[in-house]
Amino acid sequence: GENVEQHPSTLSVQEGDSAVIKCTYSDSASNYFPWYKQELGKRPQLIIDIRSNVGEKKDQRIAVTLNKTAKHFSLHITETQPEDSAVYFCAASQANNNDMRFGAGTRLTVKP
Amino acid sequence: EAGVAQSPRYKIIEKRQSVAFWCNPISGHATLYWYQQILGQGPKLLIQFQNNGVVDDSQLPKDRFSAERLKGVDSTLKIQPAKLEDSAVYLCASSWPRTGSFEKLFFGSGTQLSVL
Repeated sequence: GENVEQHPSTLSVQEGDSAVIKCTYSDSASNYFPWYKQELGKRPQLIIDIRSNVGEKKDQRIAVTLNKTAKHFSLHITETQPEDSAVYFCAASQANNNDMRFGAGTRLTVKP
Repeated sequence: EAGVAQSPRYKIIEKRQSVAFWCNPISGHATLYWYQQILGQGPKLLIQFQNNGVVDDSQLPKDRFSAERLKGVDSTLKIQPAKLEDSAVYLCASSWPRTGSFEKLFFGSGTQLSVL
């Protein structure tokens, strides 16, 4: 089955700086890569996703890039704010079964 | 719209006891997932249903865990008997369907299980 690895496990940045979280996946058949944000004690919520037919997607301060050849994808958050502090999970799945596998998570702390 | 409902919110049991969790997905969502999230780790897929059929249960410890979705709507996850390492948050999620499509997962609030 799919195996997703995520780095770093913790990340601390100063407010206004950028944050980058990286993930790799093992199954070349995976073609959907979402990112979820989980605030303390709350449920994971989708913040952005990318499909294998594009290399990059942006949504305001958040962007995701995908390198299918290398089987890795990254989350980029620019102009970080304290409310961005949370645990971020990457995931990978295939459209034919939507079997979603998650990375171990990155705890992002944005210092004011 | 109403979200994914889960109950109970918290559960404390002793090892070797049994426990059951309940999930009601968003109306119309055909796919339902149960994830186990151990503290400090990412959600681990236990079982995935498409309507009332099992799509993937490869990571479900079948000697002690069972799940059902008899009418293709609500689902229950049971642990019998529980072990200390089962302490985790059990998340239920649902998605719209559908073979060949990409659909985001909507998560419930989870059930936090503590096994003493």
